Amino acid sequence: GNSVTQMEGPVTLSEEAFLTINCTYTATGYPSLFWYVQYPGEGLQLLLKATKADDKGSNKGFEATYRKETTSFHLEKGSVQVSDSAVYFCALLAGSRGNTPLVFGKGTRLSVIA
Amino acid sequence: DGGITQSPKYLFRKEGQNVTLSCEQNLNHDAMYWYRQDPGQGLRLIYYSQIVNDFQKGDIAEGYSVSREKKESFPLTVTSAQKNPTAFYLCASKGQGYEKLFFGSGTQLSVL
Repeated sequence: GNSVTQMEGPVTLSEEAFLTINCTYTATGYPSLFWYVQYPGEGLQLLLKATKADDKGSNKGFEATYRKETTSFHLEKGSVQVSDSAVYFCALLAGSRGNTPLVFGKGTRLSVIA
Repeated sequence: DGGITQSPKYLFRKEGQNVTLSCEQNLNHDAMYWYRQDPGQGLRLIYYSQIVNDFQKGDIAEGYSVSREKKESFPLTVTSAQKNPTAFYLCASKGQGYEKLFFGSGTQLSVL
């Protein structure tokens, strides 16, 4: 079946450090890939997405590239801020582009300290 | 403003009691979803509905029930058969042909 595997957290970084959160997937066909972010006590918000191989999604300084050959979609940011502290979820949408549910990874908690 | 609203934010359940979590959206979305979030487990799908008067079980449907009588509303009932209901519950919706999922702000359910 379809699945997403993320690196386990928590990840603790100092402000202005480089961030990488690894994400790999297993899916049939050509899924769309997403990163969602969850701030404390809130629901999830879409951070970025990529719909086909070699696409790069980017938003708020974060970026991720859809790598079909390695089935990966790693999240990166060059210089993190305290306000980036949150839980990050990698997700995929496989099969038809209808209303089938997204499949989420387990989430990676990021803490950024000043 | 359009959005998706969950209520209440906090809910307490007594032993043997059924409780219902509300989810309402005014985004005119066809599809709605319920997820359960436990620490370290990520999001697990409970039920989803692609259209009014229809819904499907997700990965962990046992002990839960839903209804979809109106497009705007997708309430989740946590029944007494759910022996470990303490979790953060998230409702989401998606428009037809779109990939972005919109989430509510969640309901934290605890057992007294």
